[in-house]
Amino acid sequence: KAGVTQTPRYLIKTRGQQVTLSCSPISGHRSVSWYQQTPGQGLQFLFEYFSETQRNKGNFPGRFSGRQFSNSRSEMNVSTLELGDSALYLCASSLAGTPQETQYFGPGTRLLVL
Amino acid sequence: DQQVKQNSPSLSVQEGRISILNCDYTNSMFDYFLWYKKYPAEGPTFLISISSIKDKNEDGRFTVFLNKSAKHLSLHIVPSQPGDSAVYFCAASATAGSYQLTFGKGTKLSVIP
Repeated sequence: KAGVTQTPRYLIKTRGQQVTLSCSPISGHRSVSWYQQTPGQGLQFLFEYFSETQRNKGNFPGRFSGRQFSNSRSEMNVSTLELGDSALYLCASSLAGTPQETQYFGPGTRLLVL
Repeated sequence: DQQVKQNSPSLSVQEGRISILNCDYTNSMFDYFLWYKKYPAEGPTFLISISSIKDKNEDGRFTVFLNKSAKHLSLHIVPSQPGDSAVYFCAASATAGSYQLTFGKGTKLSVIP
């Protein structure tokens, strides 16, 4: 079974631009979560989608948004990029997103904002 | 306010010895805990988990201990192997309420041959 895939793997943008990252979950998984990892901050929860609906959102500004499609693939968008948005963005999928399910992570998209 | 804390950024252990990674949490609503391992350029991979109704869970060389009264959990790796060298993240979730994982900042384990 194929794992979680994320595209692109690496991205360089400049301040003020916007970016869209894509995540394809494991086949059959309907929950997709997004996390931001920065040095010294660990993984911080961005949002979680299930059946095209955002169920949970972390403490991030409105510049960070996402969506999920009917095939469970998900995208996240960051508008008006800031230097501090440079990070590894990870998505994870699970069957139904219940608390005691294992989340399976993709390799991440490394975003550098110049 | 950090709800899951891993106070040791790094740990070095000799091959064959025990590695003990620690994690503390502050949110009393957390009732499910997980450990993930992360190699460079890869996403985190699930290692082992424990529910708050247990105080120990074992899977091969990996054992997680939970002390609810102290709000503390630890991961024991015995014996440690060079391939265990990675960053280990402790994570927690609350069954009641919105589903999300809250992660610690990670501990980098180096197993020296």
